Amino acid sequence: GIQVEQSPPDLILQEGANSTLRCNFSDSVNNLQWFHQNPWGQLINLFYIPSGTKQNGRLSATTVATERYSLLYISSSQTTDSGVYFCAPPSGGSYIPTFGRGTSLIVHP
Amino acid sequence: ETGVTQSPTHLIKTRGQQVTLRCSSQSGHNTVSWYQQALGQGPQFIFQYYREEENGRGNFPPRFSGLQFPNYSSELNVNALELDDSALYLCASSLSGYGYTFGSGTRLTVV
Repeated sequence: GIQVEQSPPDLILQEGANSTLRCNFSDSVNNLQWFHQNPWGQLINLFYIPSGTKQNGRLSATTVATERYSLLYISSSQTTDSGVYFCAPPSGGSYIPTFGRGTSLIVHP
Repeated sequence: ETGVTQSPTHLIKTRGQQVTLRCSSQSGHNTVSWYQQALGQGPQFIFQYYREEENGRGNFPPRFSGLQFPNYSSELNVNALELDDSALYLCASSLSGYGYTFGSGTRLTVV
């Protein structure tokens, strides 16, 4: 199945800082989602982004499918951004999201 | 529009017992997937149901089984529980594989 590598594995920021999270995947994909898992375990869909760039408030994402990576930008981080960020491309020609170990983000006030 | 709801939220079982977890899919969604998430790990795909048929399975033993009902809700059954089955179990629904929406999960502890 597809391999997903996210970097960095851990990130600590001061409130207001910007950050870029990277996701590399081993196969070409037909879709990709970014999720935020809050400290209570809830996975929230941030972006459905098979290619190109999308923006939603302080967050934006870019996927370059031909080069097998996706980036998530967080600007002006807030403490509520803390949690684990996962990118989830599908596996084996399906649409089923495959998760890596994610990037754990802590934003300090 | 209702989201994905899972029940129960927490559960404690004894090794060797059986457990059933439930999931109601988001309105309009016809596909349900189940994931297991161990502490510190990403969610691992267990299986997916589309129109009441299993149409994808991850690397989990047969004691993990499921059902999908005509209203697209779903159950995950685990037999002969082992200590390593302790995890957060997540259900996600989608419309034919586009845009997965996750529930809040069931945290299962096996003692």
